[in-house]
Amino acid sequence: EIVLTQSPATLSLSPGEKATLSCRASESISSVLAWYQQKPGQAPRLLIYESSARATGVPARFSGRGSGTDFTLTISSLEPDDFAVYYCQQRSDPATFGGGTKVELK
Amino acid sequence: QVQLQESGPGVVKPSETLSLTCTVSGASIRGDDSHWNWIRQRPGKGLEWLAYIHYSGSSNSNPSLMSRLKISVDTSKNQVSLTLHSVTAADTATYYCARDPYLGAFDLWGQGTAVIVSS
Repeated sequence: EIVLTQSPATLSLSPGEKATLSCRASESISSVLAWYQQKPGQAPRLLIYESSARATGVPARFSGRGSGTDFTLTISSLEPDDFAVYYCQQRSDPATFGGGTKVELK
Repeated sequence: QVQLQESGPGVVKPSETLSLTCTVSGASIRGDDSHWNWIRQRPGKGLEWLAYIHYSGSSNSNPSLMSRLKISVDTSKNQVSLTLHSVTAADTATYYCARDPYLGAFDLWGQGTAVIVSS
């Protein structure tokens, strides 16, 4: 199965700062990568699919890029609501998720 | 709008069988050309994909659980079900139902149902 490695494990930032999250795949997955946001006690929420397409209702401050094995999720200017855990996910059978990056308030 | 609602027993004894149901409301499974998935999250841990099924009945499961897991669909009840045999403490998790409309991503999730395996 394809292993997704996310870094860093924790990102300590302040509102208004830029967040850059990384996801690396153990083998090439083309551009079939998604990003999710999860808050405590809630289900994950789809942010980005196919590496760079924003899901319905997702603010423009969230952007994704990458292909092959290296992918990035960028939050251009953190809002208070953005402090959460972020997961990447690939769809080659079996689908797998990264271990997550926690974006916490500095 | 389409909503997913998981239901389950809450507590299951070790070695017994876990049965979960995902009820889809706001749309017919038969009219939605999506994969309906089960995904779980162990306490304080990451996400693990378990299986998917299409309304036609075609399905696929995670090889790590394939021998213990069965996924099924009941289009008359608009439900997707998951059965997991011979559960252990390692199966303690929140189980989510999620839709993949052939995006390679899960665009709609239920709220999840927590399952504890304990005697």
